[in-house]
Formats: sequence, structure tokens, C-alpha cells
Amino acid sequence: AQSVTQLGSHVSVSEGALVLLRCNYSSSVPPYLFWYVQYPNQGLQLLLKYTTGATLVKGINGFEAEFKKSETSFHLTKPSAHMSDAAEYFCAVSDGEGGSYIPTFGRGTSLIVHP
Amino acid sequence: EPEVTQTPSHQVTQMGQEVILRCVPISNHLYFYWYRQILGQKVEFLVSFYNNEISEKSEIFDDQFSVERPDGSNFTLKIRSTKLEDSAMYFCASSINRDSGNTIYFGEGSWLTVV
Repeated sequence: AQSVTQLGSHVSVSEGALVLLRCNYSSSVPPYLFWYVQYPNQGLQLLLKYTTGATLVKGINGFEAEFKKSETSFHLTKPSAHMSDAAEYFCAVSDGEGGSYIPTFGRGTSLIVHP
Repeated sequence: EPEVTQTPSHQVTQMGQEVILRCVPISNHLYFYWYRQILGQKVEFLVSFYNNEISEKSEIFDDQFSVERPDGSNFTLKIRSTKLEDSAMYFCASSINRDSGNTIYFGEGSWLTVV
């Protein structure tokens, strides 16, 4: 069964610092992986997704994530944090096993950006 | 950009009362979903809907819950007799298809508080 673990419910960085949000997945078949972002009072918005091909995926707002099969990870990074990046970030996995295409989400990581 | 819209944004209801949460999916999407997030917990899948019937549902989606597409645009979630533990943010979502790599588009959520 597919599952996702997001390490750290809160991550705090200074403006301009590297952002690293961790996500590890569990899946018995090759997965599809997603990062969604939720800004205050808004819905979940897709940041990026990995389906097949290049393991380094670039998304919106300067974010990227790398699929590492050997580590079962899909960590989200951004070289330089902006105040506007403060939001809740959700990792999700979907593998289609058993005919189900419903993504499973993690608990979310709240990114706090200090001036 | 087309978006999923949800009403109400907040609702407070008394335990035992019926609640209907409404959603307007993106117009050319064929698959519809409800997810929920209890405060501090994971975003959990409730149900998916296609071609006027439930295509998948989770263990959470028991007889208390029902979904309906009453007309060509609305998609509703009904909770027949609310319990305290139903207090959560409920997200409606839609997608064009249901492949594993498919992007699901979310609404802003309806925050339900049961007292």
C-alpha cells in the first residue's frame, strides 16, 4: 500500500536561505509523486510532479524535487526562500496499484520564513 | 485559470444535524473527489465520483456520508448526522482523467465545526 511520510511538521528558515522539505514514500510499484502547496485561505495547488523520465523535476516559484528510488525519497528544495513561500506543503504518492489512482497525502509541513 | 469553488467556506453546526457542502468542479473535468483534513492530521481521501456514481471510497466514507451531482455543475457532500469528530476541513477536487500521474485540482476548502 502506498504511503508518504513528511519529516518535520514545521520547518523554519531565514529569507534567502535554502529550503529543504523532506518526503519519503512507500510503494510496491513505481510511484507517481507530487508536491502541493497551500497558501493561507487557499486550496491545494500543484507545485510539481514526477511521473516518468528525468528524476529532477522543476516546478513553479523556483521549487524543484528529486526522485531518488534508492532512498525512496522525493525531497522538495528551493535555493533561496522568499517571505511569500510561507505556506503548508504536502507530499503525495499515487501508484495505481489495485486499480486505484487516488493519491495518498502526507501530514504536511508548514514552512515558516523569517525576515 | 479555471478553479474549483466550494461553499460555504466555514460552517458551524450542532451535533446530529445534517450538513451539505457544495462544490463546483472545473467545467471540463470528469472525476470529482472529496478529501478531508482534521486539524493537525493528514489530508485523507473520502470518495471519488465519475459518471454519476461513486468510483472509489475510503473506510471513512460510511453510511453517514453521501455524494451527489444534482445538476450539471454542482457536486455535493452530505453528512447526515454530524458527530464531533467530523470537524475538519473538507476539500473538493476534480481532474480530467484518473491516471496515476494525473493532476488533481483542489478547492479552497470548507471548514466544518461540529459543536
